Amino acid sequence: KAGVTQTPRYLIKTRGQQVTLSCSPISGHRSVSWYQQTPGQGLQFLFEYFSETQRNKGNFPGRFSGRQFSNSRSEMNVSTLELGDSALYLCASSLAGQRNQPQHFGDGTRLSIL
Amino acid sequence: AQSVTQLDSQVPVFEEAPVELRCNYSSSVSVYLFWYVQYPNQGLQLLLKYLSGSTLVKGINGFEAEFNKSQTSFHLRKPSVHISDTAEYFCAVGANDYKLSFGAGTTVTVRA
Repeated sequence: KAGVTQTPRYLIKTRGQQVTLSCSPISGHRSVSWYQQTPGQGLQFLFEYFSETQRNKGNFPGRFSGRQFSNSRSEMNVSTLELGDSALYLCASSLAGQRNQPQHFGDGTRLSIL
Repeated sequence: AQSVTQLDSQVPVFEEAPVELRCNYSSSVSVYLFWYVQYPNQGLQLLLKYLSGSTLVKGINGFEAEFNKSQTSFHLRKPSVHISDTAEYFCAVGANDYKLSFGAGTTVTVRA
């Protein structure tokens, strides 16, 4: 069974630009979550989607947004990029996002802002 | 809200020696607990999970963890480590809000 696939793996952008990251969950998984990982802040929750609905959102500015499609694939978008947005963005999927269902992570997208 | 504290940021250990990584959590509701491992330039891989039942949980690669409700701890152990266990380890809790809360991570460096 294929794992969680994130594209692209690496991305370089400049301040002020916007970026879209993509995540394809494990087949049959309907919940997709996004996390930001930085050396200073560690792993922080961005948002979670299930059946195209956002069920929870972390404490990030409105520049960070996401969506989920009917096939459970998800995208996240960051507008007006800032230097502090440089991070590893991880996507995770689970069957239905219930707390007893482990999340399975992709290898992430490394975003660098120049 | 939930929070997780990993008590050691770095743990150096010799090959074939035992290792213990400490994790404490706080939560006002019952939680489910997880340990993940992250190798360089990769995502997180699930090592083991505590959902209910036996407090001693066995995972992949010879790791095990013990859930202690009274001490709100979920420490990870391995009796004999290999060079390949060099990685960063994260303790995480899940509750009712469709997200995981992670600790800051423990870097394990195994030396020959």
